[in-house]
Parts: sequence; C-alpha cells; structure tokens
Amino acid sequence: SAVISQKPSRDICQRGTSLTIQCQVDSQVTMMFWYRQQPGQSLTLIATANQGSEATYESGFVIDKFPISRPNLTFSTLTVSNMSPEDSSIYLCSVSKGGDYGYTFGSGTRLTVV
Amino acid sequence: GNSVTQMEGPVTLSEEAFLTINCTYTATGYPSLFWYVQYPGEGLQLLLKATKADDKGSNKGFEATYRKETTSFHLEKGSVQVSDSAVYFCALSGGSGNTGKLIFGQGTTLQVKP
Repeated sequence: SAVISQKPSRDICQRGTSLTIQCQVDSQVTMMFWYRQQPGQSLTLIATANQGSEATYESGFVIDKFPISRPNLTFSTLTVSNMSPEDSSIYLCSVSKGGDYGYTFGSGTRLTVV
Repeated sequence: GNSVTQMEGPVTLSEEAFLTINCTYTATGYPSLFWYVQYPGEGLQLLLKATKADDKGSNKGFEATYRKETTSFHLEKGSVQVSDSAVYFCALSGGSGNTGKLIFGQGTTLQVKP
C-alpha cells in the first residue's frame, strides 16, 4: 500500500492566520482526500483533491476557507484559512489507488488555534 | 446520500469477553465496506474489508460479514484483549453516485479491562 508523509504533525496557530498542510505519497495514486476529525468525533470528509483542477468540496466546506491544491498524482496541500478556535482539529490526508486497493491515511496534523 | 450508522459507545468489556459492534449502512448499488481502528494517540489503520455481499473480512481475530439483505457489517471478536482498546470506525465507499470517497460512521470506543 502507499506510504504517506503528512506535514506538519502538529502546530499551534494564532487566530486569523493560515496554515498549509502537505501530503506527499511515495507512489502515484488515483484519489486523494482531506478529512477533519474534531476532538472525540468521527472523520468528516472536507473535499476530494483533483489533479490539475479545482477540488470537489462536501457540503459545509468551501474553497475560500479550505483551499486545496493537487499539482500531480503524488502531492496535495490543504490550507486552513483565517483560523478560529473552532478549526482546532486533526486534519488527515487519505489516498486510494482505486479498485480493491483500499484507502491509506496519513498520520494527521493536530492543529490548535489559540 | 450514502451513510453509515454505528452503535453508540463506549463499550466496556472484560478481557476474553465476546465483542459485537453493530454497523448498518444506507447506500444504493454495491458499496465496499470497511472497519478501521484508531489506537490511542495513533493514526487510522484498516482492520478489515469486504467488497461484495456475503464476503467475510477478517484480521487479528476480528470478523465482519457483508449482509446486503440487512444492510449490515457488524464487527465481532470471540475473545477481546486489553490491547484491543481503541476506537473502531465502520465505513463505506462506492455504490451508486459515490465518486470513490470513504464515508465513516461515528465511531465506537471500546475499552477492555483486565
């Protein structure tokens, strides 16, 4: 299965600032996704990162708040913009090669907004 | 849209007890079903999966059978250990209208006492 390097692993940020999270995969993958896991909660899909085009966002998430890039088949970034304490969560990158390959998750970025 | 519902937690068991965590889903078509586990302080790991009706996924003593007639994918283990204490997530992907994204249930916390 694919191996994901997600950076940073954690950060403490001031409200009103932005943080960009990187997801690097060791092999080409078909699909890349970004999830949010709020404290004590399940994983909620933010968006599907599409190579060379705009990401597909789930209901309740917008590009201005969570801009996403995916320049190639092995790399994506998620930016959390104009942060508030409510954005404090774990953000996870996930990838899949499709078919029966299943899904692999990065180790996550633990974000605290103060 | 597609959704996954898990039994409420937390579930507290004594070591060597039998475990069942219920999971039901709503989806059209033929989704793939997964169980993921998140150990304390760690990332998300695939525990087992099933891709078609009547398939049984198994790993580390855990089992789950894809039951299309009852739209269920219950997780079972005959004898739990303290080391099984974790959060368990049921998830689905595929089915009609699903563009490959993985949708999670709310998670069930399992605590096993010696």
